[in-house]
Amino acid sequence: SQQGEEDPQALSIQEGENATMNCSYKTSINNLQWYRQNSGRGLVHLILIRSNEREKHSGRLRVTLDTSKKSSSLLITASRAADTASYFCATARGSNDYKLSFGAGTTVTVRA
Amino acid sequence: EPEVTQTPSHQVTQMGQEVILRCVPISNHLYFYWYRQILGQKVEFLVSFYNNEISEKSEIFDDQFSVERPDGSNFTLKIRSTKLEDSAMYFCASKPGVAYEQYFGPGTRLTVT
Repeated sequence: SQQGEEDPQALSIQEGENATMNCSYKTSINNLQWYRQNSGRGLVHLILIRSNEREKHSGRLRVTLDTSKKSSSLLITASRAADTASYFCATARGSNDYKLSFGAGTTVTVRA
Repeated sequence: EPEVTQTPSHQVTQMGQEVILRCVPISNHLYFYWYRQILGQKVEFLVSFYNNEISEKSEIFDDQFSVERPDGSNFTLKIRSTKLEDSAMYFCASKPGVAYEQYFGPGTRLTVT
């Protein structure tokens, strides 16, 4: 299995602080994606980083990818209460259609 | 902004009954997927569909499951004889090309009693 595994499982921070979560995976990938899920809701795509990229930014999000270590990190800067959610990494491996393999997620709670 | 839609949002069914979960992917997308998430667990891949056929399926996707794209817009997941362990949130997803991000629908919560 080449599912991503997030670390930590849960994170509680104060509004305005940064939140960092990590993802490790087992096999080579085409790209890695981060998704957010609010409680009981659908998955919202946040950012995609391809295997030949090392860092990517989108608004308050910064993603890094280290293919030699088979790991990625997601940094949310200046967190807000609305960032409270579960965050999942998902890896897409070279195959017919790059189905996604999800990790167990990091639950982030931002305290006001 | 275009989005993937799913109906119903919640389906309650009795064990042994057939259910059909419906999805309308984004209109110019070519790849379609079903995933499920049992409460408190990971999102798991079920099946992918491209060019009017299944391109890949997981071990979960046994003979009780089937998918169809009956017209140019709908994409359905059928479970022929539901089991208690089929209770989960089922997500449909689509994407425009092979190495792009997948866009997920809001999910259908299936409860089998």
